[in-house]
Amino acid sequence: AQSVAQPEDQVNVAEGNPLTVKCTYSVSGNPYLFWYVQYPNRGLQFLLKYITGDNLVKGSYGFEAEFNKSQTSFHLKKPSALVSDSALYFCAVRPIRMDSSYKLIFGSGTRLLVRP
Amino acid sequence: SAVISQKPSRDICQRGTSLTIQCQVDSQVTMMFWYRQQPGQSLTLIATANQGSEATYESGFVIDKFPISRPNLTFSTLTVSNMSPEDSSIYLCSAYRASEETQYFGPGTRLLVL
Repeated sequence: AQSVAQPEDQVNVAEGNPLTVKCTYSVSGNPYLFWYVQYPNRGLQFLLKYITGDNLVKGSYGFEAEFNKSQTSFHLKKPSALVSDSALYFCAVRPIRMDSSYKLIFGSGTRLLVRP
Repeated sequence: SAVISQKPSRDICQRGTSLTIQCQVDSQVTMMFWYRQQPGQSLTLIATANQGSEATYESGFVIDKFPISRPNLTFSTLTVSNMSPEDSSIYLCSAYRASEETQYFGPGTRLLVL
């Protein structure tokens, strides 16, 4: 079965330090990969995506993600965390299928807490 | 990106009643979806809203409970019928923009059923 794993329920980091939120996937083929962020009482906000090309993709608010095909991973990173980055982060994968389905498979989410 | 609005943003409803949630996108999109999310949890896809035809439901969701309409390429509604406390959740609509190969989400509707 196709799945997306976010192994950490919560990541704690001090402001100014680098952060990494992990995501691995088990999907056949070359899926599209996404990161979304959800602030309290808000919907999901698109951060970045990987479709093809450079393995390091840059997104909103200084976030970037590194695609590693051999490890089937797509970890979210930021060089210097801000307290305002504290939120719930979701990794999502879109398998590329013949039926042209555009459905996403979501990870369980990782809560990022950045302490001052 | 796509700008998506939902109405209502939140509601408190009585058991046995129905609530219709509206989703409006600022421009035409290829696909629209409806999700359910428990606070702090991941998203569960309810159905794909198809323009001009019946919605495609995921396993565990049925049309009688969650009727969906999509009369045009920018608007969709989800009705939660005959509600019970178990339906208390956040309901999110999303829109897939083909030119960006990206799915965008609305702000969600927070539903509490008493």
